[in-house]
Amino acid sequence: EDKVVQSPLSLVVHEGDTVTLNCSYEVTNFRSLLWYKQEKKAPTFLFMLTSSGIEKKSGRLSSILDKKELFSILNITATQTGDSAVYLCDTTGGGNKLTFGTGTQLKVEL
Amino acid sequence: DAGITQSPRYKITETGRQVTLMCHQTWSHSYMFWYRQDLGHGLRLIYYSAAADITDKGEVPDGYVVSRSKTENFPLTLESATRSQTSVYFCASSALTGGYGYTFGSGTRLTVV
Repeated sequence: EDKVVQSPLSLVVHEGDTVTLNCSYEVTNFRSLLWYKQEKKAPTFLFMLTSSGIEKKSGRLSSILDKKELFSILNITATQTGDSAVYLCDTTGGGNKLTFGTGTQLKVEL
Repeated sequence: DAGITQSPRYKITETGRQVTLMCHQTWSHSYMFWYRQDLGHGLRLIYYSAAADITDKGEVPDGYVVSRSKTENFPLTLESATRSQTSVYFCASSALTGGYGYTFGSGTRLTVV
């Protein structure tokens, strides 16, 4: 059975801190891994990763995939209160099957 | 407006009633998906559709029915609602498969009493 595990489940940091969120997976015929940010409503797309070792970057957010060790990390530097959200990781495997992790709840305090 | 819209935003229904949640997208995306989101489970795929008249089961399809007679619409029907189906339901669409970024609707909060 395909599985995606995110850690930590939740964390609280102060503005300006750097955080690293983890997503490990066991997926048959892995094709890609995606990161989303979910605030009050629907998830919004952040990154899609298909190749190992290639960093995707957008402003203060960056992500990298390790296909040998089967995990991805999402880094957020110089965190702001607006980064408070649930961060979801999802993989696409064989048969277009999508598997989501349960998410990491991030709270950034002043 | 262009995008993906879900209706209703909120719904309360009684056990045993039939409920249909609507999803409409204006991009002509081939792929559409229905997820439910519950505490402790994250997002779970109910059904998805690769094109009009092509649908397939996801992780938790029991108790749900879908149809896709037109590319732009993908309604989800609960034939006989149960309390365990109380959840937030998200519709999503994607132009292609293979893990390209999905765009989600704003969600429908369904409560079955």
